[in-house]
Amino acid sequence: GQQVMQIPQYQHVQEGEDFTTYCNSSTTLSNIQWYKQRPGGHPVFLIQLVKSGEVKKQKRLTFQFGEAKKNSSLHITATQTTDVGTYFCASNFGNEKLTFGTGTRLTIIP
Amino acid sequence: KAGVTQTPRYLIKTRGQQVTLSCSPISGHRSVSWYQQTPGQGLQFLFEYFSETQRNKGNFPGRFSGRQFSNSRSEMNVSTLELGDSALYLCASRPGGTDTQYFGPGTRLTVL
Repeated sequence: GQQVMQIPQYQHVQEGEDFTTYCNSSTTLSNIQWYKQRPGGHPVFLIQLVKSGEVKKQKRLTFQFGEAKKNSSLHITATQTTDVGTYFCASNFGNEKLTFGTGTRLTIIP
Repeated sequence: KAGVTQTPRYLIKTRGQQVTLSCSPISGHRSVSWYQQTPGQGLQFLFEYFSETQRNKGNFPGRFSGRQFSNSRSEMNVSTLELGDSALYLCASRPGGTDTQYFGPGTRLTVL
């Protein structure tokens, strides 16, 4: 079936260190979305990537879509305590049913 | 604009009972989707409604059903509850022409 694998499952970093989470699919993705869910909260949309090789930045966050449109990454530079949460990638594989990755839970050590 | 709202926020039921959850999308959004979130299975798609019609359905048993009203509000129903149905049920709406999902706060269902 259509799945999006996400690694790592957990990541503990010292405040100020960088953080990266990766999404991989065995099939070509029409697009990739990224969401953030704070502890006890709900997923909040961060960004959508559509083009092969696309790179987008939001302040300390950098999002990349692979050239083959089968993988994506989210990189956070100099993490802060406000970055705590679970980061999900998601894709609709060309239909309207959004499939989420397993998520990466980020913990910040002050 | 007000965000997606879901009621109730918390619910405790016993096995065998049924439950109905409600979702009001962002004004103007005609698409409403439902997701189940559990620690073991993550975020799983249940179904999507658009203009009162179910457009997509996930891999859940027939005990899970939903509907959408003419004002775009949606309900989902789970009959004959099982312990494994304990989860956070999230509703999301999206505007036409985009894939972006706007999630509500969720309903935390506990089945005892």
